[in-house]
Amino acid sequence: DSGVTQTPKHLITATGQRVTLRCSPRSGDLSVYWYQQSLDQGLQFLIQYYNGEERAKGNILERFSAQQFPDLHSELNLSSLELGDSALYFCASSVFPVQEGAYEQYFGPGTRLTVT
Amino acid sequence: GQNIDQPTEMTATEGAIVQINCTYQTSGFNGLFWYQQHAGEAPTFLSYNVLDGLEEKGRFSSFLSRSKGYSYLLLKELQMKDSASYLCAVEGSNYQLIWGAGTKLIIKP
Repeated sequence: DSGVTQTPKHLITATGQRVTLRCSPRSGDLSVYWYQQSLDQGLQFLIQYYNGEERAKGNILERFSAQQFPDLHSELNLSSLELGDSALYFCASSVFPVQEGAYEQYFGPGTRLTVT
Repeated sequence: GQNIDQPTEMTATEGAIVQINCTYQTSGFNGLFWYQQHAGEAPTFLSYNVLDGLEEKGRFSSFLSRSKGYSYLLLKELQMKDSASYLCAVEGSNYQLIWGAGTKLIIKP
């Protein structure tokens, strides 16, 4: 158990709909990352938040948005869903920044999104 | 551009040794990570290299050569449970991780 929690575990929805994925980081971790992993594909970095502020953006679509709240939990909002958005969505957390070049990301169990 | 290359798939025999290579070209370098990911599960941290040389951790070792932009993960005494994908990730100059596509390792009895 990494200490990172994600809800829900599974989500099935229809095209055009909007969903919210939730993540609680490990206690003490200030940084949260969101990743998308389609079937048999690598991890695609979406976005990072640090202590409530957006820190870095990866390949995140305009239909997707995220935020990190004062209690450090984070939500990823996916709207106007398309079939191609079906994937595993992982949240990870880290203590970044702690010291130069020394942090590891702890991953949550993921949310499996199926768009029908 | 920034790029990380790993073989897509490798096959090895239970009890044997396998080496998974990773080459990278990134803007800056603060360290290299190896993660293991079983199908449908979350990645889990295996090792971290920031200086050249070999880091050993039980059956797993990781090597880094910064001048060559090269790393490898060495798995010894392979077990069936080692069947998984192995992800190489490099921390660039802005502290962001750049991920390779992963190497799927298949262990045969």
